Amino acid sequence: AQSVTQPDARVTVSEGASLQLRCKYSYSATPYLFWYVQYPRQGLQLLLKYYSGDPVVQGVNGFEAEFSKSNSSFHLRKASVHWSDSAVYFCAVSYGGSGNKLIFGTGTLLSVKP
Amino acid sequence: DAGVTQTPRHEVAEKGQTIILKCEPVSGHNDLFWYRQTKIQGLELLSYFRSKSLMEDGGAFKDRFKAEMLNSSFSTLKIQPTEPKDSAVYLCASSRDRGVYEQYFGPGTRLTVL
Repeated sequence: AQSVTQPDARVTVSEGASLQLRCKYSYSATPYLFWYVQYPRQGLQLLLKYYSGDPVVQGVNGFEAEFSKSNSSFHLRKASVHWSDSAVYFCAVSYGGSGNKLIFGTGTLLSVKP
Repeated sequence: DAGVTQTPRHEVAEKGQTIILKCEPVSGHNDLFWYRQTKIQGLELLSYFRSKSLMEDGGAFKDRFKAEMLNSSFSTLKIQPTEPKDSAVYLCASSRDRGVYEQYFGPGTRLTVL
């Protein structure tokens, strides 16, 4: 069965430090990949998406992600985090044939220390 | 364009009551999704509609959960009867239906069942 794994339930970094949140998927073909962010008491907001082409995609607020077919991964990165980046981050995949249905990872809670 | 609207934002119900949650998708979106979000289970798909037709009905939720799409711009999720274990955040999302597109999420309804 298709699945998405976010191995880190919680990540804590200092403000100004770099960040990587990990995401791995299981599927034989290339899926469509997304990163969403959820701030407290809000819905999910799209950070970035990958459909094809350049494996490094840019998103909002300085976030980027890199797709690796060989590693079945789609890790999220940011060069310098701000305290306002504290939130839960979800990786999600869509397999096209299922319409726009998404399979979500369990999320990573990012805490940024001032 | 207005985003996804969900009402109410908060709902408190007694065990055994019937509650109805409402969702208005983004104008022009034909895919609509209902999710339940809890800390333990994460994001769980309850229902998926395409052009008002039910495409997927989460197997574990069939007995007391019923989602309907009365027209292309309005959907409801009925829980009958409610149980304390239904306490969660219920999220509605919508998407375009041609190709693969990201989902846009509403702010959610926080349900507490006493």
